[in-house]
Amino acid sequence: AQSVTQLDSQVPVFEEAPVELRCNYSSSVSVYLFWYVQYPNQGLQLLLKYLSGSTLVKSINGFEAEFNKSQTSFHLRKPSVHISDTAEYFCAVRTLTFGNEKLTFGTGTRLTIIP
Amino acid sequence: SQTIHQWPATLVQPVGSPLSLECTVEGTSNPNLYWYRQAAGRGLQLLFYSVGIGQISSEVPQNLSASRPQDRQFILSSKKLLLSDSGFYLCAWSSYRGGVYGYTFGSGTRLTVV
Repeated sequence: AQSVTQLDSQVPVFEEAPVELRCNYSSSVSVYLFWYVQYPNQGLQLLLKYLSGSTLVKSINGFEAEFNKSQTSFHLRKPSVHISDTAEYFCAVRTLTFGNEKLTFGTGTRLTIIP
Repeated sequence: SQTIHQWPATLVQPVGSPLSLECTVEGTSNPNLYWYRQAAGRGLQLLFYSVGIGQISSEVPQNLSASRPQDRQFILSSKKLLLSDSGFYLCAWSSYRGGVYGYTFGSGTRLTVV
């Protein structure tokens, strides 16, 4: 069965410092990978996704993630964070079982930006 | 354009009372629909998914049930709420169009059982 592991439950980072949120997945088949962001008291918003093609995907607000098949990872990075990046970030993998698809999420990483 | 509506946004219910949360989708047909729960301090857990009218798959044993009476309507229910049912409930749908695949989430319902 496919699964997603986010090793860091909380990551505090100083403003304008770089950050990496780790995500590892387990899957024996081709995968679609996602990062979602949840701002305080809001629902989930898609940040970026990897479906195929270039292994480096980028979002409009400066985040990027690289699909690494050999390491089964999809880490999220940003070179310089802002206060507004404070949120919870979820990594997810799309699974397909007997023709039925669903998203399996990691437990989330709470990113706190320190002024 | 495709949109997803979920209501109510917040709900406080006493233990033992019934529950009905509704989710509707616009702008698409025959979507896959999902109910997720996010408990305080925990990640997202898939509760139910549906690939068509009347077709419901349950991911975890629980006090809740789901129904899909219409193509674009997905309902989460309970006959008697438990304290442990408190959490943030998210409806979602998935699509694959023009070579692009994605999930879209509703804005969520925060349920507090007292």
